[in-house]
Amino acid sequence: AQTVTQSQPEMSVQEAETVTLSCTYDTSESNYYLFWYKQPPSRQMILVIRQEAYKQQNATENRFSVNFQKAAKSFSLKISDSQLGDTAMYFCAFMNQKLGAQKLVFGQGTRLTINP
Amino acid sequence: KAGVTQTPRYLIKTRGQQVTLSCSPISGHRSVSWYQQTPGQGLQFLFEYFSETQRNKGNFPGRFSGRQFSNSRSEMNVSTLELGDSALYLCASSLGRGDTDTQYFGPGTRLTVL
Repeated sequence: AQTVTQSQPEMSVQEAETVTLSCTYDTSESNYYLFWYKQPPSRQMILVIRQEAYKQQNATENRFSVNFQKAAKSFSLKISDSQLGDTAMYFCAFMNQKLGAQKLVFGQGTRLTINP
Repeated sequence: KAGVTQTPRYLIKTRGQQVTLSCSPISGHRSVSWYQQTPGQGLQFLFEYFSETQRNKGNFPGRFSGRQFSNSRSEMNVSTLELGDSALYLCASSLGRGDTDTQYFGPGTRLTVL
């Protein structure tokens, strides 16, 4: 079974700062995806970024980037130039690539607060 | 494209009743997955439907069931409600292929069991 661990329950930074959220996972699979989702107070789960395990290049989406270390099973999210709208719960998630086994396994989440 | 929609957004039921939640996926998406979110257990996978067939199932009791229709819309049913079933129920849709698959979530249905 796969597990996902987010060791930082809460983080708080000032607007415009850079913040890194940590995530580690455990799996014996070789083909999988990793995701970061954000859940603002509205509770809508929003995809932030996705990484395919076979890709060595780290994914980036505007101010969001990841540091994917496959051997260490680590998948951290860096938010640059943080904005007030980034305030949310952030969930790291794992998905097996096998058809029929494509469920998301989530970490417990990191509550990120961006202060003005 | 319109996003994933869920109805109703809020529900209040009493113990012992049953409830049906509905999810309409993004157009063209054939896979619908359901998740339960609670403060204590976090986000847990319930089941996935693809082309009207349950393709994957989580570790929930048989009181939780679902189905998918030919237009890919899905319903989830919980029978004999318990207090512990109070949660945010999220559905997510995806293409359902093995490659490049990403799940997109609806706004959720908040179920309160009294």
